[in-house]
Amino acid sequence: SYELTQAPSVSVSPGQTASITCSGDKLGDKYACWYQQKPGQSPVLVIYQDTKRPSGIPERFSGSNSGNTVTLTISGTQAMDEADYYCQAWDSSTHVVFGGGTKLTVL
Amino acid sequence: EVQLVESGGGLVQPGGSLRLSCAASRFTFSTYNMNWVRQAPGKGLEWISYISTSSSTIYYADSVKGRFTISRDNAKNSLYLQMNSLRAEDTAVYYCARDLYSSTYPGWFDPWGQGTLVTVSS
Repeated sequence: SYELTQAPSVSVSPGQTASITCSGDKLGDKYACWYQQKPGQSPVLVIYQDTKRPSGIPERFSGSNSGNTVTLTISGTQAMDEADYYCQAWDSSTHVVFGGGTKLTVL
Repeated sequence: EVQLVESGGGLVQPGGSLRLSCAASRFTFSTYNMNWVRQAPGKGLEWISYISTSSSTIYYADSVKGRFTISRDNAKNSLYLQMNSLRAEDTAVYYCARDLYSSTYPGWFDPWGQGTLVTVSS
């Protein structure tokens, strides 16, 4: 079955750039998206189709896809960005697959 | 604002059944594919099922195939998940989510409902 791999945690200082990666076999050939989930809240879509940002999502969120890795980049990270982030893609065998999630700590 | 509201969760014994509902509002429900996603306590997200606009295409995760049934009623703007033969490992918050990808397979989800908790325990 298809799997997406994320680092369990990433730390960043306020105002710095956070990079959260997600890897999977031939992930570059698929569309990937990213969700942000804060404690006690439902997930929110922050990036779709690798690089597109839904309306209402701050410009500091961006995405890229290269080879077997997709990356969510948060520029000028703010304390409010502290959350769990999940990547997601579609595979013909597994259908929808989520990465295990990355906890972003802003300290 | 687009809204999805789940209901029907609760405590059920192993082997029991439960039916979840998701009420959609403020968008044309019949034109969107829909999904169910769950999250066990303290764990990550797990997709479990997808249904196309006309119910002609349905997918399930292997973990629920044969036990869960997704359905929708476009006239009532509602999505459902019938869960049978429930197990302890089905304990989770269940979310419905609108699919923004107009295709015959799942894409990306927005928005998500607030979730409904299903607890399977004796």
